Amino acid sequence: DQQVKQNSPSLSVQEGRISILNCDYTNSMFDYFLWYKKYPAEGPTFLISISSIKDKNEDGRFTVFLNKSAKHLSLHIVPSQPGDSAVYFCAASEETSGSRLTFGEGTQLTVNP
Amino acid sequence: NAGVTQTPKFQVLKTGQSMTLQCAQDMNHNSMYWYRQDPGMGLRLIYYSASEGTTDKGEVPNGYNVSRLNKREFSLRLESAAPSQTSVYFCASIWTSGTATDTQYFGPGTRLTVL
Repeated sequence: DQQVKQNSPSLSVQEGRISILNCDYTNSMFDYFLWYKKYPAEGPTFLISISSIKDKNEDGRFTVFLNKSAKHLSLHIVPSQPGDSAVYFCAASEETSGSRLTFGEGTQLTVNP
Repeated sequence: NAGVTQTPKFQVLKTGQSMTLQCAQDMNHNSMYWYRQDPGMGLRLIYYSASEGTTDKGEVPNGYNVSRLNKREFSLRLESAAPSQTSVYFCASIWTSGTATDTQYFGPGTRLTVL
């Protein structure tokens, strides 16, 4: 079964606007959540993470929100830039060390100039 | 600092052939991982090595074997390749400890096609 799901395969936004990427999970043992960004022909690179004891974490233009009761997390990018165009993967781990990640299917974000 | 390196970048095999994908990291990480990525799916864990000398199965281990050659290197072997193993393979590494959180660093990937 798919324990981490990203229901939107693609998202298109205008430069300067907010991008909101969503992720749902089913495993209540997940303790640590991460977002990775992937450009074509490259490996995923870490973007931002959040522990299950928090509900929000910010890093510059990127904010991740966690709603444990709904088993839902989201990534907000404000303002969006054309260089943000990439595939974004949501991932989760049962361990706070960040090992043994379970990934969602990914969302292709396109930011139009 | 090269990070995580993978060889080869591309490979085409015929059904039944064998090959080994190589991965090395220079960040002194203790844990290493092999994932595969298929269209419309996220990365799925094949095998991992929590420390030198140990290996464990992930979500999709069938048809693969691994070797943790030393702390730096973690190889993935396909003994008899099948078309279902056509995929992009990523190696990753991380320093794991009991309490500290870190993130996995990924290599650039190996694109494998099995005909």
